[in-house]
Amino acid sequence: GAVVSQHPSWVICKSGTSVKIECRSLDFQATTMFWYRQFPKQSLMLMATSNEGSKATYEQGVEKDKFLINHASLTLSTLTVTSAHPEDSSFYICSARGAPGATEAFFGQGTRLTVV
Amino acid sequence: GEDVEQSLFLSVREGDSSVINCTYTDSSSTYLYWYKQEPGAGLQLLTYIFSNMDMKQDQRLTVLLNKKDKHLSLRIADTQTGDSAIYFCAVNGQNFVFGPGTRLSVLP
Repeated sequence: GAVVSQHPSWVICKSGTSVKIECRSLDFQATTMFWYRQFPKQSLMLMATSNEGSKATYEQGVEKDKFLINHASLTLSTLTVTSAHPEDSSFYICSARGAPGATEAFFGQGTRLTVV
Repeated sequence: GEDVEQSLFLSVREGDSSVINCTYTDSSSTYLYWYKQEPGAGLQLLTYIFSNMDMKQDQRLTVLLNKKDKHLSLRIADTQTGDSAIYFCAVNGQNFVFGPGTRLSVLP
């Protein structure tokens, strides 16, 4: 299957700083990328959906000013957690889908963020 | 909105079959998926089934779909300790909607 690379795999940052997570589709063009958050022992929560060249669509309850999503090209989307706090510590996973209605989305390996 | 439900836990003995069940509400879903998540890792696509099929088999995995009842199941034959993980059911609509995940524990 297609490959989605997410970087970094894990990051520790100080409270109040910002962290950027990258999601790249390596061998296909991703028209849509999804960002998920997963709390320990819980399921995935969709945070936002982004289409290349457009503003991201955020799910209810997700602060768009805190979780900045940029999908500037067909192979790269970034999630920036601004002014991170310990409660932002979580596992963040991106997925990418090619054409609209494509059969599946491919997932990155996830980024474990710890805010201290 | 769309809703996907799964039982949260399943324990089986090594060598037995595991059956993980999933129900969903969105009848327009065209593709339905099973993902596996091992501890600390991302998601791995195991298999998927198109909504006009009622069964798909891939080695030890068998997916059954009852579209009328909106019920999906994943059967793992000859379950091994390496199969211990969380299994997510997902449906493809406007977004990918995931179930809560079933934690499969395989006992020796």
